[in-house]
Amino acid sequence: AQTVTQSQPEMSVQEAETVTLSCTYDTSENNYYLFWYKQPPSRQMILVIRQEAYKQQNATENRFSVNFQKAAKSFSLKISDSQLGDTAMYFCAFMKLPQGAQKLVFGQGTRLTINP
Amino acid sequence: GAVVSQHPSWVICKSGTSVKIECRSLDFQATTMFWYRQFPKQSLMLMATSNEGSKATYEQGVEKDKFLINHASLTLSTLTVTSAHPEDSSFYICSASFTGGYETQYFGPGTRLLVL
Repeated sequence: AQTVTQSQPEMSVQEAETVTLSCTYDTSENNYYLFWYKQPPSRQMILVIRQEAYKQQNATENRFSVNFQKAAKSFSLKISDSQLGDTAMYFCAFMKLPQGAQKLVFGQGTRLTINP
Repeated sequence: GAVVSQHPSWVICKSGTSVKIECRSLDFQATTMFWYRQFPKQSLMLMATSNEGSKATYEQGVEKDKFLINHASLTLSTLTVTSAHPEDSSFYICSASFTGGYETQYFGPGTRLLVL
C-alpha cells in the first residue's frame, strides 16, 4: 500500500516570500503520478500541480514548482512570491499509473497562512 | 470545463433518518466517481469508488450497508447515508474522472452533513 507523509502541520510566511512544503511517500510502484492540491476556506479542492514519475523534469505552474526526487521519494512544493490568496490547506497526493481509474492517496495536509 | 457539482451543499438531519447526496458531472461523462469523507482539520479519506453501471468498491472499514452508493448514469452518482447518527457528521466530497483522463480527478464543492 502507498502512504504519503506531510511532516509540517502548519506553516506561516509573509506575503511575497517563498515557501516550501514537504512531502514524502512510500511505494513499490515505478510509474505513478504525484499531485499537490489546495483546499482554501471554501473547501473546494483545487489542483495546483501534477508530476509524472517517469518525467525527470520538475513540473512548474507559474509561481508553483516542485522538487521531485524519485530515489528519495520526496516531492516538495515551492510557492514563490506568495500571495494572500495562497492561504489554504495543501495536500500532497499519490496515484498509481492509471490503468483504469485509480484512487488518490492523500497526505495529512499542511495549513499554510500567508500574512500581510 | 470539467465541472462537478454536489447537492445539497449542506444538510442537517435528525438521528435515524437517511440522507442522500448527489454528485453530478456537468460537462463530461464521468465513468468513475469517488466519494471521500473529511473530518475537521483532517485529510480526505476515500470511502468508495464507483463505476457507471457497476457496484461500488468500498474501502476497508467503510460500511457498505450504511453508505449506499449508486452510479446509475455517466453524469450522476449518489451517496445515501442510511440511519444517520451524530458520528456520521462530516464533510463529504465527490470527485469524477473520465475514460482516457484517469490521471485527473475533478472535485465537487462538498456537502456538509450535521446529524443531530
